Amino acid sequence: SQKIEQNSEALNIQEGKTATLTCNYTNYSPAYLQWYRQDPGRGPVFLLLIRENEKEKRKERLKVTFDTTLKQSLFHITASQPADSATYLCALLNAGGTSYGKLTFGQGTILTVHP
Amino acid sequence: NAGVTQTPKFRILKIGQSMTLQCTQDMNHNYMYWYRQDPGMGLKLIYYSVGAGITDKGEVPNGYNVSRSTTEDFPLRLELAAPSQTSVYFCASSYRGESGNQPQHFGDGTRLSIL
Repeated sequence: SQKIEQNSEALNIQEGKTATLTCNYTNYSPAYLQWYRQDPGRGPVFLLLIRENEKEKRKERLKVTFDTTLKQSLFHITASQPADSATYLCALLNAGGTSYGKLTFGQGTILTVHP
Repeated sequence: NAGVTQTPKFRILKIGQSMTLQCTQDMNHNYMYWYRQDPGMGLKLIYYSVGAGITDKGEVPNGYNVSRSTTEDFPLRLELAAPSQTSVYFCASSYRGESGNQPQHFGDGTRLSIL
């Protein structure tokens, strides 16, 4: 069966360290993978997109990698700050679903950055 | 721009009542989506629309109905509310053009309790 899993339900790190979140999938052929941030009581906000033929994408302190052999994406936040504390969601668009833009979401990882 | 606006923000229903969750977007997006989010379960797609007059079922459509008479509006209807429909409901929109699917923009959700 198809499955998308974010390995950690919760991740606690110290300010200034690098946070690494993991997203694994099975039985998908993703066209691309996205990462969203969700704050309490708010809707998800798009952060980064990486396509199947890309290995790495960066945006300021954020970095995403995509390994279609391992069927895994890693999301890194460098020099983390307490303001980075939020739930982070990965979502993939299956190649067969590109015409409808339907995303499948992981369950999210709650990141807490301690001062 | 307001982006994606959802109303109401909170609602309590009795079992068997019906209601409509409103969603409107001002970004001229052609694609719109309804998700529900239960604790620890990620976002599940209920219904989606690729344009005015076109709707289709997502992963968990039972107990819900939608319509898309205009580009801007995509209301979600609960006909006979059941306790299993207690959840947070998110509406999202995105644009699909020649370059493919753009990231989704989300509203801030409707928190619905069925008692």
